[in-house]
Amino acid sequence: DAGVIQSPRHEVTEMGQEVTLRCKPISGHDYLFWYRQTMMRGLELLIYFNNNVPIDDSGMPEDRFSAKMPNASFSTLKIQPSEPRDSAVYFCASRGGPSGLTEAFFGQGTRLTVV
Amino acid sequence: GENVEQHPSTLSVQEGDSAVIKCTYSDSASNYFPWYKQELGKRPQLIIDIRSNVGEKKDQRIAVTLNKTAKHFSLHITETQPEDSAVYFCAATSGTYKYIFGTGTRLKVLA
Repeated sequence: DAGVIQSPRHEVTEMGQEVTLRCKPISGHDYLFWYRQTMMRGLELLIYFNNNVPIDDSGMPEDRFSAKMPNASFSTLKIQPSEPRDSAVYFCASRGGPSGLTEAFFGQGTRLTVV
Repeated sequence: GENVEQHPSTLSVQEGDSAVIKCTYSDSASNYFPWYKQELGKRPQLIIDIRSNVGEKKDQRIAVTLNKTAKHFSLHITETQPEDSAVYFCAATSGTYKYIFGTGTRLKVLA
């Protein structure tokens, strides 16, 4: 397995534009997480899915952020409209296993810069 | 809500010395505690984990201890080497399967 795959790796966009980040989890994993990493806040959990269903989106900062998981192999995180304070590295992670108490595997991340 | 606190935020040690990073968690239902290492510009990767039915776990130069009563767990790195320099994150998860991370510790090993 190629691991968790995120795209794009880097995104530079202008304030007000829509940004879509993409994630392909490891095949067979039933949990998918979206994190945002900044120097000030560390790794913040934005939202997570179980079997494609959003379980907890309490970390989503504003209505400008939305996430979907239309099937087991694909998820998107969308920011519309984007703002400079959204600049961060966004990580997707997935995990699986019968007990759920297992390692989460991270993608390479998407470095977002909003100018 | 769930919270994980991590200390210190930065740590410098001489090569060969030991390093200790501590975390506390708030959710008493937490039962899985992984530690991740993140090198500059890379993704976080698991280095060791512990489940709530175990008090200590070792893997070569790294070890993790868990005190469920006090709700804290620690990462111990012995005989530190320059390649141990990175940011380390603790995390806690429970029946909700929600991974909550600490704020990270930047470890610098001085040669």
